[in-house]
Amino acid sequence: DAKTTQPNSMESNEEEPVHLPCNHSTISGTDYIHWYRQLPSQGPEYVIHGLTSNVNNRMASLAIAEDRKSSTLILHRATLRDAAVYYCILRPFGANSKLTFGKGITLSVRP
Amino acid sequence: GAVVSQHPSWVICKSGTSVKIECRSLDFQATTMFWYRQFPKQSLMLMATSNEGSKATYEQGVEKDKFLINHASLTLSTLTVTSAHPEDSSFYICSANLGQGGPYEQYFGPGTRLTVT
Repeated sequence: DAKTTQPNSMESNEEEPVHLPCNHSTISGTDYIHWYRQLPSQGPEYVIHGLTSNVNNRMASLAIAEDRKSSTLILHRATLRDAAVYYCILRPFGANSKLTFGKGITLSVRP
Repeated sequence: GAVVSQHPSWVICKSGTSVKIECRSLDFQATTMFWYRQFPKQSLMLMATSNEGSKATYEQGVEKDKFLINHASLTLSTLTVTSAHPEDSSFYICSANLGQGGPYEQYFGPGTRLTVT
């Protein structure tokens, strides 16, 4: 499976935008970029996913580099509830394709 | 959004006994469900892929006779930990695919904390 690289941790201030980077230089043409987040003692939560174009939803935006070797998850206004571990995962196209979780990036939000 | 539930949310059992964990998709049908295990301070590790009406596919190193998976309907998958030992104590999480055949997102249950004494 193609791997992703994320910083271990990041800090942000409440109500400010947050940009979480992810490198995936070995991405293949059929890999989708997925982001999930996990709060302590909870199951992961789907955030967003995309293939080539930038994507927006009510939770976040996903900016994908033109060569697809990197992407950035953007939280437009961080809140304390956004403090979590964020996982950037490449998921191959296919009915039973798996999500392989790495270590993710731990986001802390300062009040 | 799609909701996945798990029951129980936590369980304590004695060594040598078996424990069943249920995973349900509440507002959608899930042909494929996944089971993960997460130890403290670690990431999620996929244990098996569960397909409705067929045998589960286990990841390398996961004992299929110890972790029995049944996906009898499009909304229910169960994981039974047989002859549990203290080293099986972990956070067990299930997920379900929204849709078939595409790059759809997965929705996760809230997890089940298993403690084996």
